Amino acid sequence: NAGVTQTPKFRVLKTGQSMTLLCAQDMNHEYMYWYRQDPGMGLRLIHYSVGEGTTAKGEVPDGYNVSRLKKQNFLLGLESAAPSQTSVYFCASRGQTINQNEQFFGPGTRLTVL
Amino acid sequence: GESVGLHLPTLSVQEGDNSIINCAYSNSASDYFIWYKQESGKGPQFIIDIRSNMDKRQGQRVTVLLNKTVKHLSLQIAATQPGDSAVYFCAAGYSGTYKYIFGTGTRLKVLA
Repeated sequence: NAGVTQTPKFRVLKTGQSMTLLCAQDMNHEYMYWYRQDPGMGLRLIHYSVGEGTTAKGEVPDGYNVSRLKKQNFLLGLESAAPSQTSVYFCASRGQTINQNEQFFGPGTRLTVL
Repeated sequence: GESVGLHLPTLSVQEGDNSIINCAYSNSASDYFIWYKQESGKGPQFIIDIRSNMDKRQGQRVTVLLNKTVKHLSLQIAATQPGDSAVYFCAAGYSGTYKYIFGTGTRLKVLA
């Protein structure tokens, strides 16, 4: 049981390049989330999904797109990277029942945009 | 907009002492509160949660207190150990949104 995994762990991009971050969970969770974490700020929600085939915007969605084609995977795409997107990105998942409040986080992806 | 804030960016305590980390939230509709621990280079790890119909909940060496009147919660860690050194976040959420608002974090340093 690997929990939540993220690929890649580190990446350096040049401005304007594109990339996709992959999140996978093996807990059969319905809800999945993408956050970014910047110094001095709390985790900010980029996009989230409440089930396979559904996505929704979070607090800071601009410049990002997501897809949830399979229940276990949640992809975060940057079409044209900007230096402002330099951050640590965390994926999380949780179950859907009212008692399953705990979000399980992945180890993070550290992205630098030059 | 909504906010969740922690009172101190850094807290230093002696090993063996008790630690208290505070958090304030702005949305009175919040009914779930969670504390996370984040070690350097890792993702946040769930510690304990509490619902708004409770004012106290205890776990192993940790206690969360919730004061809805002043919209404040705290995390108490008993007999703080070196392994407790990390950044601690609180998060507030409410039913039906599946989302949480996270605080900025307090870095706990345990002094030997």
